[in-house]
Amino acid sequence: GAVVSQHPSRVICKSGTSVKIECRSLDFQATTMFWYRQFPKQSLMLMATSNEGSKATYEQGVEKDKFLINHASLTLSTLTVTSAHPEDSSFYICSARRKNSNQPQHFGDGTRLSIL
Amino acid sequence: ILNVEQSPQSLHVQEGDSTNFTCSFPSSNFYALHWYRWETAKSPEALFVMTLNGDEKKKGRISATLNTKEGYSYLYIKGSQPEDSATYLCASYSGSARQLTFGSGTQLTVLP
Repeated sequence: GAVVSQHPSRVICKSGTSVKIECRSLDFQATTMFWYRQFPKQSLMLMATSNEGSKATYEQGVEKDKFLINHASLTLSTLTVTSAHPEDSSFYICSARRKNSNQPQHFGDGTRLSIL
Repeated sequence: ILNVEQSPQSLHVQEGDSTNFTCSFPSSNFYALHWYRWETAKSPEALFVMTLNGDEKKKGRISATLNTKEGYSYLYIKGSQPEDSATYLCASYSGSARQLTFGSGTQLTVLP
């Protein structure tokens, strides 16, 4: 069964709306979670690394004020797309890792975000 | 190689055929190479995590090899079945990247 739960799976909303996406590790404590974005026919692009109890580490070119990440517990990280615009429409997917980078990442099912 | 590259981008094979595809990655500062299978409407599922040069891993009809000196990994599927149809992603911790860097994937379709 799934070890990482992500919801909602799909969001359609008007421009200017803020959208929150949740990522939960179900059966293990994840001190580190990752948020990716994927455009059609492209690879998963890491947006930020979410660290429990501390600030997220954002990749170059990702606006931290636009994509707010909160990792308040060992099982939950949230990504909020603030004041979303059509160009933010994309597929967002989270993953969690059990221990170190030799362990595989466990992914959520992803969220398809469409901004009208 | 500066990025993770996968080839081919897509392929169609007949049921029963064996197939393979390639992942190229930066060979410098290599740490680990991951393979994932991503079926439509599901989440990516980890297949292998490989760290040692020359390593070969196997899971049922799927196997993978790793060459860290030249920066490539092959994924093999023996006797492809329709349920093998998926996008196969590789990702590496190597080069200048601080985190896992994904390729664009190889989309496999196995025709019955």
